[in-house]
Amino acid sequence: GAVVSQHPSRVICKSGTSVKIECRSLDFQATTMFWYRQFPKQSLMLMATSNEGSKATYEQGVEKDKFLINHASLTLSTLTVTSAHPEDSSFYICSATIRSNTEAFFGQGTRLTVV
Amino acid sequence: SQQGEEDPQALSIQEGENATMNCSYKTSINNLQWYRQNSGRGLVHLILIRSNEREKHSGRLRVTLDTSKKSSSLLITASRAADTASYFCATDGKAAGNKLTFGGGTRVLVKP
Repeated sequence: GAVVSQHPSRVICKSGTSVKIECRSLDFQATTMFWYRQFPKQSLMLMATSNEGSKATYEQGVEKDKFLINHASLTLSTLTVTSAHPEDSSFYICSATIRSNTEAFFGQGTRLTVV
Repeated sequence: SQQGEEDPQALSIQEGENATMNCSYKTSINNLQWYRQNSGRGLVHLILIRSNEREKHSGRLRVTLDTSKKSSSLLITASRAADTASYFCATDGKAAGNKLTFGGGTRVLVKP
């Protein structure tokens, strides 16, 4: 299957700093990528849809200025958590599909801890 | 709103037994998918079943879909300790703009 690589897998940062998470499709072009957030023992909550060459589409309740998404190429989307606070600590996962209405390929996830 | 709800939330079985989990959803779908997640890792795709399909098999996995009841089931036969993971159903459909919406998940523990 297709491979999506997410980096870093773990990051610890100080409160008030910004953290960038990368999501790369290694062997296919992804015009659309998705960013999810997952709390312990809970399901995935879609945060935003990242569209190559255009602005991301954010889900209701997700702060655009807090979670900056950039999809500058067909193989890379980045999520930047700005001015991180302890409540932003979570597991962030990206995914991409080759075509719509088909299986999604997920990155390994990023465990963010804000201290 | 949560599209998929899963039942049970947790399941503990002995190695060799079958594990069955169910997923219900609310609106019309194009496809329903099942994913597996090991603790602290990303999701791995298991099976995709289209809205016009009723049953699908893949190895020890069997998925059914009943669109009249808006429900699906995942059966893992002859379970192994390595099947221990969380299992999620995900739906996509016009109501969600073809985005995937995940159920709450079923945590499966297979005891050796």
